[in-house]
Amino acid sequence: ELKVEQNPLFLSMQEGKNYTIYCNYSTTSDRLYWYRQDPGKSLESLFVLLSNGAVKQEGRLMASLDTKARLSTLHITAAVHDLSATYFCAVDLLNSGGSNYKLTFGKGTLLTVNP
Amino acid sequence: EAGVAQSPRYKIIEKRQSVAFWCNPISGHATLYWYQQILGQGPKLLIQFQNNGVVDDSQLPKDRFSAERLKGVDSTLKIQPAKLEDSAVYLCASSPHLFLGTNTGELFFGEGSRLTVL
Repeated sequence: ELKVEQNPLFLSMQEGKNYTIYCNYSTTSDRLYWYRQDPGKSLESLFVLLSNGAVKQEGRLMASLDTKARLSTLHITAAVHDLSATYFCAVDLLNSGGSNYKLTFGKGTLLTVNP
Repeated sequence: EAGVAQSPRYKIIEKRQSVAFWCNPISGHATLYWYQQILGQGPKLLIQFQNNGVVDDSQLPKDRFSAERLKGVDSTLKIQPAKLEDSAVYLCASSPHLFLGTNTGELFFGEGSRLTVL
């Protein structure tokens, strides 16, 4: 069974600082996603990473994927209050029959950016 | 482009009662998912449809949960009878056909239906 672990689960940081959220997973996969969820809202797709070494950037967020290490990182540069949200990584795994992908989510990282 | 529509947004019921949630996916999306998100946790897949066929329902508690997507478009998720532990947000998501060449696997989520069981 695929396990997806994020750390930290809670992150409080000051505006202007940098930090990295880590996502480790237990079974080989080259499809990983990052989603953002604001309180009481649904999940919004941030990044789609589909190959080893993939790097995507959007504003102050940058995501990368190392399939050999089974690790993805979400790096926050010069945080601002608007980035406060819960961030989920999710890993797609093809079943043994090759007929279906199944997405497994981590528990999420609650990010709070303080002025 | 309209997003994934869900209703109702909120529902409060007593245990042992029944409830139904409705989802209309993005037009043209063949694959539809129902996820359960308990407070403080990541979403957990309950059931996945491709068109009107079930692809994966391995984590659906079939003694009380049922779902259908009769015409391959909108879907309903029913819980009967509800238990206290069913209190959660039920998220519907959709994506293009599973193995379509342009499908990146990215899911598009609705706003969710928040269920409280008393």
